Amino acid sequence: EPEVTQTPSHQVTQMGQEVILRCVPISNHLYFYWYRQILGQKVEFLVSFYNNEISEKSEIFDDQFSVERPDGSNFTLKIRSTKLEDSAMYFCASSEQGGGRGYTFGSGTRLTVV
Amino acid sequence: KNQVEQSPQSLIILEGKNCTLQCNYTVSPFSNLRWYKQDTGRGPVSLTIMTFSENTKSNGRYTATLDADTKQSSLHITASQLSDSASYICVVSSLNTDKLIFGTGTRLQVFP
Repeated sequence: EPEVTQTPSHQVTQMGQEVILRCVPISNHLYFYWYRQILGQKVEFLVSFYNNEISEKSEIFDDQFSVERPDGSNFTLKIRSTKLEDSAMYFCASSEQGGGRGYTFGSGTRLTVV
Repeated sequence: KNQVEQSPQSLIILEGKNCTLQCNYTVSPFSNLRWYKQDTGRGPVSLTIMTFSENTKSNGRYTATLDADTKQSSLHITASQLSDSASYICVVSSLNTDKLIFGTGTRLQVFP
């Protein structure tokens, strides 16, 4: 069964450093998403991406965040200057059709900012 | 404000027993509701998805119900197994948006 693959599974970084989280969505999917889950809290929407541009973003997704689809297969989330409160599980997801249907989530990247 | 509330927050049951988890939502306009299973440290895995016109949907030992009038859903797990221990999350999507709105989840523990 097709999977959404995320790397690395765990990343530790120092506060103020830039990190890039990588995702390989399912190959025929057109819609891509990032969500995050702070330990003990619910999963929160960050951003959706379609047709090479951001289609929707939450208030969490401020100027320190950016997304990119650099080569037609990878989908990345960059955090420019990490803060302690950015420590969370970051989930990538993709779907074949929009409208909140047919989502498949990756296994997540655990980001720890020290 | 679009919200999804779940109860109970946590639940402990013995292997072989049945249980029912509850979800209430205020998301509008409603598109669909899904139940996810999330093992610790893993991504959510979809169990069921229901649209406005569907009242019930089954996936093996999991049966979800939806009452779109009262904006309530339930997930019934039959003959629980140790591997059912996980968080069960109710997730709702709204029309005209791609994002999913997650509940806080019910943490289920099944003991032998």
